[in-house]
Amino acid sequence: AQTVTQSQPEMSVQEAETVTLSCTYDTSESDYYLFWYKQPPSRQMILVIRQEAYKQQNATENRFSVNFQKAAKSFSLKISDSQLGDAAMYFCAYRSAKEGGGADGLTFGKGTHLIIQP
Amino acid sequence: NAGVTQTPKFQVLKTGQSMTLQCAQDMNHNSMYWYRQDPGMGLRLIYYSASEGTTDKGEVPNGYNVSRLNKREFSLRLESAAPSQTSVYFCASSITTGTNEKLFFGSGTQLSVL
Repeated sequence: AQTVTQSQPEMSVQEAETVTLSCTYDTSESDYYLFWYKQPPSRQMILVIRQEAYKQQNATENRFSVNFQKAAKSFSLKISDSQLGDAAMYFCAYRSAKEGGGADGLTFGKGTHLIIQP
Repeated sequence: NAGVTQTPKFQVLKTGQSMTLQCAQDMNHNSMYWYRQDPGMGLRLIYYSASEGTTDKGEVPNGYNVSRLNKREFSLRLESAAPSQTSVYFCASSITTGTNEKLFFGSGTQLSVL
């Protein structure tokens, strides 16, 4: 079974600074998807960014980018120019890409609570 | 554009009571899921349904039952609620094929069992 580990229960960053959230995963599969989800106090789960394992290029979405190291099984999220609205729980997640293998949904890490200091 | 709709948003039960959490999606997705979220634990899969008419156990199925009523609806039932089932419950749906698939989540149900 796949596991996802987020080793930072809480991170704090000054507004406008850059912060990196760590995620490692364990899998025997070669093809999969990785995700970062944001959960603000409203509880809504919001997809931040998505990476396909067969793509070497790191995904980016505006101020959010990832550092995907497949051999190291590492998938960190970098938030540039942090804003007060970025304060939330962030979850790293894994999903198999094999035919039928993703039908059982995502495997989530335990989350990192990101605090933005004004 | 409703997406994934969960009801109720909040519920308080007494130990031993039963209830059903309702979930419906209007995106014609094949797969649907029920997760629970506990502090410091992330989201854990309770049950999932890969397609209409099928259901399978996830990581933490004990104490729950599910019904995939049709393609749109996937309900979660607690037959005899226990305090350990106090949690936030999320329903989600997805298309399982294609390169652009992702999970869409409902807004969650806060359940307290006293």
